[in-house]
Amino acid sequence: EPEVTQTPSHQVTQMGQEVILRCVPISNHLYFYWYRQILGQKVEFLVSFYNNEISEKSEIFDDQFSVERPDGSNFTLKIRSTKLEDSAMYFCASRVAGQGTEQYFGPGTRLTVT
Amino acid sequence: DAKTTQPTSMDCAEGRAANLPCNHSTISGNEYVYWYRQIHSQGPQYIIHGLKNNETNEMASLIITEDRKSSTLILPHATLRDTAVYYCIVRGSGGYQKVTFGIGTKLQVIP
Repeated sequence: EPEVTQTPSHQVTQMGQEVILRCVPISNHLYFYWYRQILGQKVEFLVSFYNNEISEKSEIFDDQFSVERPDGSNFTLKIRSTKLEDSAMYFCASRVAGQGTEQYFGPGTRLTVT
Repeated sequence: DAKTTQPTSMDCAEGRAANLPCNHSTISGNEYVYWYRQIHSQGPQYIIHGLKNNETNEMASLIITEDRKSSTLILPHATLRDTAVYYCIVRGSGGYQKVTFGIGTKLQVIP
């Protein structure tokens, strides 16, 4: 069964460094998402991406964040200058086109900022 | 998206049916009911969704009341691997359809 994959599974970085989290969505999916979950808290929406542009973003998704689909398969989240509070699990999700279609989530990348 | 109310936690004996309730009294006509679960910090896993009719798949059944103000997710034979946080989410079919997670129901399956 096709699944969303994410790399790396765990990333440790120092405050102020740039990180890129990578996702490979399911191949025929057209809508892509990033979510994050700070330890012990709810899963929070960050951004949605469709047709090579951001379609919606939350207040969390400020200028330090960016997303890209550099080729036909990868979908990346970049944090330009990480802060301690960026430490969280980051989940990528994707879905096919159509009304009411479900999102499929990847296993997540645990980001630890020291 | 309509607000949902779920119990914070529930227990279920292994092998028995787990019935997880959800209230969504402000649901509107074009909003779907979705269920996801999250097993110990893994990525959320889609379970099932429905609009009006009851739905069943290989994982679970979804029973939606006739007035659509509440629903129940049924895991027919709970196993220890079903221990997870279960999220009931009401969402429209339009727009870019982000998922807004609440705190969900922590289901503990007991041997």
